[in-house]
This record gives sequence, C-alpha cells and structure tokens, in this order.
Amino acid sequence: EPEVTQTPSHQVTQMGQEVILRCVPISNHLYFYWYRQILGQKVEFLVSFYNNEISEKSEIFDDQFSVERPDGSNFTLKIRSTKLEDSAMYFCASRYGGSVDEQFFGPGTRLTVL
Amino acid sequence: KQEVTQIPAALSVPEGENLVLNCSFTDSAIYNLQWFRQDPGKGLTSLLLIQSSQREQTSGRLNASLDKSSGRSTLYIAASQPGDSATYLCAVRPTGTASKLTFGTGTRLQVTL
Repeated sequence: EPEVTQTPSHQVTQMGQEVILRCVPISNHLYFYWYRQILGQKVEFLVSFYNNEISEKSEIFDDQFSVERPDGSNFTLKIRSTKLEDSAMYFCASRYGGSVDEQFFGPGTRLTVL
Repeated sequence: KQEVTQIPAALSVPEGENLVLNCSFTDSAIYNLQWFRQDPGKGLTSLLLIQSSQREQTSGRLNASLDKSSGRSTLYIAASQPGDSATYLCAVRPTGTASKLTFGTGTRLQVTL
C-alpha cells in the first residue's frame, strides 16, 4: 500500500544551524502539508503546498521556514536558523484532492535543537 | 478561530468493552472530520473520514458519527482489544479553499487484559 515516507527519523542539530527535513508523498497526490507536534501538545498545521506554490501557511511558518518540491517526488521543509523552540516532531502529509479528501501522514521526523 | 477538544483526555478499559471517544469543535463550518490513531513516538494513521454531509462512517470495529450543527463527533470502538491502545485524535477541515486540519487534544486509550 502506498505510504508517505520521511527522512531522517531523528535529527539533532545545534541552535542556529539550518536543517532540511525530507518527505516523499504518495506518488499521485497533488496536495502536500507540513505539521508539527511539540512534545505533549497538539498537532499544529504549518503549511500547505499545491501546484508548486504555498496555498496556506500558519503564523508559525515565518521567514525562517521554507518549503520546496525540488523534483517530482520529494517535498522538503527547511528551517534556516533553528531555535530551541523548533524542537518537535515534524509530520509530512499528502492528499490526492477532489473527492478523495483524506490526508495521509508520514511517520515523522523528530527534530532536537540543542 | 476553530478549537477542537477531546474528552476524556485518558481512558482505561478492560479488554472486550465497547467505548466511546468524544470530539467537539467550536465552528460548525467544517468540510470534513478525520479520526486518527497515534502510537507513542509514531506517525498518525488515518482511521475514518466523515464528510460534512454524512452522519456516520464505519470501518470494522470502528464507527464514527458526526453532528455538525452541534459541533460533535464520536468514535465508537466495539469489543476493544489491547492492540487498540493508542492516542486517538480528531481533526477538522474548514469549508472553503483551505484544507489545513485543526487537531484536537487527543484521548489516550489503554485497553487492559
């Protein structure tokens, strides 16, 4: 069964460093998302991406964050200069669109900023 | 701003019991509602999606209902098993062009032998 994959599963970085989190959405899906979950808190929406552009973003998604679909299969989230409060589990999700509305989530990348 | 709340926050039941998890949302202008399961330290597994025009959806031992006007959904789990132990999350998608999900606080379920 097709699934969303994410790499790495765990990333440790120093404060101020840049990180890139990678996702491979389900192959025929058209809509892509990043969410995050700080330990013990709710899952929060960061950004949605469709047709090679951001369609919606939350207040969390400031200038330190960017997303890219560099080729036909990968979807990346870049954090330019990490802060301690960026430590969280980051989930990628994808959706086909139209009448098929379910969002499918990847296993997550645990980001630890020291 | 949409707020999603789940009650109870935690629940422990003996194996074999039927149980109900509750989800409430403040803004009834939703397009659909999705129930997920999350195992500790893992990703989210989609269980059921209910469109706003539907009243319920069933998958195996799971049945989800939706009362959009009152801002409530329930997830019914029949004949619970230890393997059902996990955190259950509900999430709503708003009407309009936005498709982001707003998640609830989750219910942590433990099914004991």
